[in-house]
Amino acid sequence: AQSVAQPEDQVNVAEGNPLTVKCTYSVSGNPYLFWYVQYPNRGLQFLLKYITGDNLVKGSYGFEAEFNKSQTSFHLKKPSALVSDSALYFCAVREGGNNRLAFGKGNQVVVIP
Amino acid sequence: DADVTQTPRNRITKTGKRIMLECSQTKGHDRMYWYRQDPGLGLRLIYYSFDVKDINKGEISDGYSVSRQAQAKFSLSLESAIPNQTALYFCATSFLGNTGELFFGEGSRLTVL
Repeated sequence: AQSVAQPEDQVNVAEGNPLTVKCTYSVSGNPYLFWYVQYPNRGLQFLLKYITGDNLVKGSYGFEAEFNKSQTSFHLKKPSALVSDSALYFCAVREGGNNRLAFGKGNQVVVIP
Repeated sequence: DADVTQTPRNRITKTGKRIMLECSQTKGHDRMYWYRQDPGLGLRLIYYSFDVKDINKGEISDGYSVSRQAQAKFSLSLESAIPNQTALYFCATSFLGNTGELFFGEGSRLTVL
């Protein structure tokens, strides 16, 4: 069965510093990988996805993620964090041919001014 | 106006009561989903529907039922609510041919006393 792991509960980073949120996945076939963000009292919003092609994918709000097949990872990155990036971030995976997404438990990101 | 609308946004009820959460969408998508969010557990799929005549159980369907009244409407019911169904519930949509990106409502917070 497909699954994702987000090993850290909370990531604290100073404003202006690089931000990394970690995600590893497990699927039996080719993975479709996603990152979503949830701001307080809001629904989840799509940030970016990897389906195929270039291992580095760029998304909304200056975020990017790198797909690493050998490490089964899909870490989310932002070169310079903003206070407004403070939110809950979810990694999700879908196997090709399977229509259901499996979400990780989420990582709270706190950007300190 | 939101593309995916959930009602009610907040509800407090008592054990044993019947509760219905409603979801409507103006995106024209054929696929609709109900997820449950619990702290530290991420999002878990309750039910999903790929069209009006198609209803499928997710990973945690026990204690829940759904109705797809129209392409744009998908309701989640708790026939006899219990305290461990206290959670944040999200409706989401997608469409055939989409690679897996979901569009979420703002959420319905349910408290069962």
